[in-house]
Amino acid sequence: EADIYQTPRYLVIGTGKKITLECSQTMGHDKMYWYQQDPGMELHLIHYSYGVNSTEKGDLSSESTVSRIRTEHFPLTLESARPSHTSQYLCASSEYGTGAFYEQYFGPGTRLTVT
Amino acid sequence: DAKTTQPTSMDCAEGRAANLPCNHSTISGNEYVYWYRQIHSQGPQYIIHGLKNNETNEMASLIITEDRKSSTLILPHATLRDTAVYYCIVRSSQAGTALIFGKGTTLSVSS
Repeated sequence: EADIYQTPRYLVIGTGKKITLECSQTMGHDKMYWYQQDPGMELHLIHYSYGVNSTEKGDLSSESTVSRIRTEHFPLTLESARPSHTSQYLCASSEYGTGAFYEQYFGPGTRLTVT
Repeated sequence: DAKTTQPTSMDCAEGRAANLPCNHSTISGNEYVYWYRQIHSQGPQYIIHGLKNNETNEMASLIITEDRKSSTLILPHATLRDTAVYYCIVRSSQAGTALIFGKGTTLSVSS
């Protein structure tokens, strides 16, 4: 059982609001990731971090920002939510390393609806 | 990382084996094949991975062809709870980057 948590699980919010999606893991993993997934569509990597004070943009351009001040915490922020941000956001983590076994543990996701 | 090709969807009767194919004809020597699945928009779950030998664990078996250009994930006795999207991912062991997911195969198990 993966120890990675996301809150809130569901969020409905109005246009223009600032929101922060929380992601925490208790496995001590250095690497953390945010994926975005529209219903019935592929997962797209939007942000990742290799450790504290490290953040990078993923393959899909996103207006969101992330921070990594603590190893266990990787929040995602939208300064001004828009309907186009409506999606599911999935957080994941993994150990640091380039070995063969590379399991990414996923959280349950946050389903965001912007009205 | 090499691209993969999977069928969009497959059906399987409950209790029968589900064989999910994946083509990765451009795979290179240091790239592993990983399988994940995603049940109804939950977070994806790791199933199995391999390099060139066949692999088996409590969830599934992975058969990789000798030329490594394709593989098959086998769920030996599919149940209704195995209905999910199955992703085949090829990743270099040297790359410390995130897994990149494609469209996957939607497996529907029916009674």
